[in-house]
Amino acid sequence: QSVLTQPPSISAAPGQQVTISCSGNSFNIGNNDISWYQQVPGAAPTLLIYDNNKRPAGIPDRFSGSKSGTSATLGITGLQTGDEADYYCGTWDTSLHGWVFGGATRVTVL
Amino acid sequence: QVVESGGGVVQPGRSLRLSCVGSGFILSDYPMYWVRQAPGKGLEWVAVISHDGINKYHAQSVEGRFTVSRDTRMVYFQMNSLRPEDAAVYYCARGLSATEGHGHYVYYGMDLWGQGTTVTVSS
Repeated sequence: QSVLTQPPSISAAPGQQVTISCSGNSFNIGNNDISWYQQVPGAAPTLLIYDNNKRPAGIPDRFSGSKSGTSATLGITGLQTGDEADYYCGTWDTSLHGWVFGGATRVTVL
Repeated sequence: QVVESGGGVVQPGRSLRLSCVGSGFILSDYPMYWVRQAPGKGLEWVAVISHDGINKYHAQSVEGRFTVSRDTRMVYFQMNSLRPEDAAVYYCARGLSATEGHGHYVYYGMDLWGQGTTVTVSS
């Protein structure tokens, strides 16, 4: 059971938009910045979004992040077959004194 | 890039030490993480160490058995009393930043991941 809650799967057709939710509490998302990671099957994770809504160099603006209260959202527009992957949210938990991840959302492009 | 080494097959109850080296950046400028992923499972954070090694936190699942440490060149992960449930791909990752207040640290995620090293625990 992950500390952060994500939907296990989402699917959409190419070109469409998807949003992935991440729900936590006041000790994690409510008080700390969230980041999002993409893991393509068979590969290591990569950073997609940090500090709630910032994109590292090289990440297209089709990916966006937002946070409100104890929840966060990752948005992907113009869905591409290359976006098929597992997506994880993560943040610091000040009560656990540790990093926590969501349980992964598998995005499938139909 | 970040490169891990030291994985392998080990019997339950034995020890293993993982190492992590960075290239293209000054390792001692960054906090560093260890994250593991059991076969078919999600990501699980296991340890983080501050850029200067003064602060470190471990996940409850490994507390007292595993220890993260570092010197100027490498980050290490000493794993003792290994259990079958410790079998996973272990990733070393560079941290974004950290802040300290009232003796507690807050960390801000990982921006550069290694390819991982596989640990198998089996008799």
